[in-house]
Amino acid sequence: DSGVTQTPKHLITATGQRVTLRCSPRSGDLSVYWYQQSLDQGLQFLIQYYNGEERAKGNILERFSAQQFPDLHSELNLSSLELGDSALYFCASSVVAGGMAGELFFGEGSRLTVL
Amino acid sequence: EDKVVQSPLSLVVHEGDTVTLNCSYEVTNFRSLLWYKQEKKAPTFLFMLTSSGIEKKSGRLSSILDKKELSSILNITATQTGDSAIYLCAVGKGTGTASKLTFGTGTRLQVTL
Repeated sequence: DSGVTQTPKHLITATGQRVTLRCSPRSGDLSVYWYQQSLDQGLQFLIQYYNGEERAKGNILERFSAQQFPDLHSELNLSSLELGDSALYFCASSVVAGGMAGELFFGEGSRLTVL
Repeated sequence: EDKVVQSPLSLVVHEGDTVTLNCSYEVTNFRSLLWYKQEKKAPTFLFMLTSSGIEKKSGRLSSILDKKELSSILNITATQTGDSAIYLCAVGKGTGTASKLTFGTGTRLQVTL
């Protein structure tokens, strides 16, 4: 158990819909990361938050947005869903110092299926 | 654009064999290179290598970072069926509290009896 909790574990929805994925980081970790893993793309970095502020951004679509709340949990919002958004979405947390992430602790992921 | 390339893509070996997995990278402002093992779901951490720690070993697993060649290898000796997994290499960059890990697509290792 990494200490990172993600909900829901599985989600099936239709094209055009909007979903919210939730992540609670490991106790004491201020940094949260979101990754998308699909079969042909591997783990793609979406975004990083540190203590409530966005700090690094990857190839996150404009239809996707995220935030980190004062209690450090984070949400990833996916809207106008397309078939290609079907993937496993991971949240990870870590301690960050001097630009070094150190070890990322991953949650079990949220599997999104868009029909 | 940051790039992490792993080879081979896939590998099948017999139990007891030794394997070497490769990772090469092109990343600006390199900070660290990490190896992860992914079995069913979440990747689990194996090693982190930095400029100040270019070699790590844990049991049958070991890893070396070659900063000159911008690459790393992960060695697994006396492989066991439990080593079957996808092995992911990731390269870290960042400044201050901003940090990003770029992952390769992984090497799928299957260890057979």
